[in-house]
Amino acid sequence: KAGVTQTPRYLIKTRGQQVTLSCSPISGHRSVSWYQQTPGQGLQFLFEYFSETQRNKGNFPGRFSGRQFSNSRSEMNVSTLELGDSALYLCASSLTDTEAFFGQGTRLTVV
Amino acid sequence: KQEVTQIPAALSVPEGENLVLNCSFTDSAIYNLQWFRQDPGKGLTSLLLIQSSQREQTSGRLNASLDKSSGRSTLYIAASQPGDSATYLCAVRTNTGTASKLTFGTGTRLQVTL
Repeated sequence: KAGVTQTPRYLIKTRGQQVTLSCSPISGHRSVSWYQQTPGQGLQFLFEYFSETQRNKGNFPGRFSGRQFSNSRSEMNVSTLELGDSALYLCASSLTDTEAFFGQGTRLTVV
Repeated sequence: KQEVTQIPAALSVPEGENLVLNCSFTDSAIYNLQWFRQDPGKGLTSLLLIQSSQREQTSGRLNASLDKSSGRSTLYIAASQPGDSATYLCAVRTNTGTASKLTFGTGTRLQVTL
């Protein structure tokens, strides 16, 4: 079966711009979570969506937002990009609170 | 606040050696624990999931144990191979009502040499 698909794989943006990342979970999975990975901070939780509702949110500024659609696909948006937002953004899907499966990530570079 | 620590941060072993990676967590009220593998610049590949009620899980050359009361998990890799070279991450899932999230350790970077 198809895994978790994240698009695009790579992005280069300029400071001040905004960006939207997409995540398609494994078919049947209703939970989608987003994580930011940087060399200095490791993997940090951004937010989790379940059946179109945000169930949990990490400690990130309001510039980071997300949503989930009725088909469980999710998007995250970062507005007013800063250099420090450069990271690998990972999406994970799971049935409920069981095994999490991750996508290949989107590498965002802010210049 | 849940904190996850992995020791060692890096490890280099010759091919064929058995090895143990360690993971510790501060809050024992976990739902499950998952071990992942990450190759450079790639996403995470799930290796093993241990539910909070379980003591261990095995998959091929991998065996993971969980001691929830002491806040520890170990990942045992038997007969290591160069293809095992990667960063290994452990993550604990905590639930607060309807909300849950994974808290990750900083990983152990493993290199298996010929």
